[in-house]
Amino acid sequence: AQSVTQLGSHVSVSEGALVLLRCNYSSSVPPYLFWYVQYPNQGLQLLLKYTSAATLVKGINGFEAEFKKSETSFHLTKPSAHMSDAAEYFCAVSADSSASKIIFGSGTRLSIRP
Amino acid sequence: NAGVMQNPRHLVRRRGQEARLRCSPMKGHSHVYWYRQLPEEGLKFMVYLQKENIIDESGMPKERFSAEFPKEGPSILRIQQVVRGDSAAYFCASSPPYQTDNEKLFFGSGTQLSVL
Repeated sequence: AQSVTQLGSHVSVSEGALVLLRCNYSSSVPPYLFWYVQYPNQGLQLLLKYTSAATLVKGINGFEAEFKKSETSFHLTKPSAHMSDAAEYFCAVSADSSASKIIFGSGTRLSIRP
Repeated sequence: NAGVMQNPRHLVRRRGQEARLRCSPMKGHSHVYWYRQLPEEGLKFMVYLQKENIIDESGMPKERFSAEFPKEGPSILRIQQVVRGDSAAYFCASSPPYQTDNEKLFFGSGTQLSVL
C-alpha cells in the first residue's frame, strides 16, 4: 500500500527566497513519485516525476525534487521564489504509472511575499 | 486546443437533491478519470472510463454515485440524494487513447460541490 504526507498545509516565503515543500511517502514497492501544481482556477499540472532513474529530478519552472530512500522523502525545492509560483502543490505516489492508482497528498499552498 | 472543461464550476445542492457534474475531455482524448478532494485531504481516485465503458470503479462509493462516458457528449458524474459529506471538489482528468500513463493526464479545474 502507498501513502503520502505533506508537511505544512501552507508555506509562505519572500520573493527570491528558497522554496522548500516537504513530502514523505510510504510504499511497499519501489515507488513512482510526483509533484503536481495547481494555479488558481486551473487544473493540476505535472511538475515533475521520479521513476527510479536519477534521484534528483528537474521539473518545469526551475523546480526540482530529490528522492531520498533512506528518509522516504521527496521534497520539492526552488532556489529563488517568484511571485508566479504562488499555487497549490500536491505530492503523489503510485506503485506504477497507471493513472488510476496514483495517491495524492493533501496539498501545500505556497504564498509568495513581495 | 481547449483543455479539459468541467462545469459547473460551483454547484450548490440541498440534502436529498441530485448533483450532475460534467466533464468534457481534451479533443482526441478517450479516457476520463474522476477524482474527489474532501476538505483537508488529497485527491482520491473514483472512477476510470473509456467511451461507453467503465474500466475501473474501485474508488466509487457503492451507493448513490454513478458515472458514464457516452459515445457522444461529456462524461457525467451523478450523485443521487446528496448528503453534507458529499461536499468536496471533484476533478476530472483525461488522457489520449492507448496512453494511461499518469504523465499524460490533463486535469480540469474542478467542480466545487456544496451541500446545504
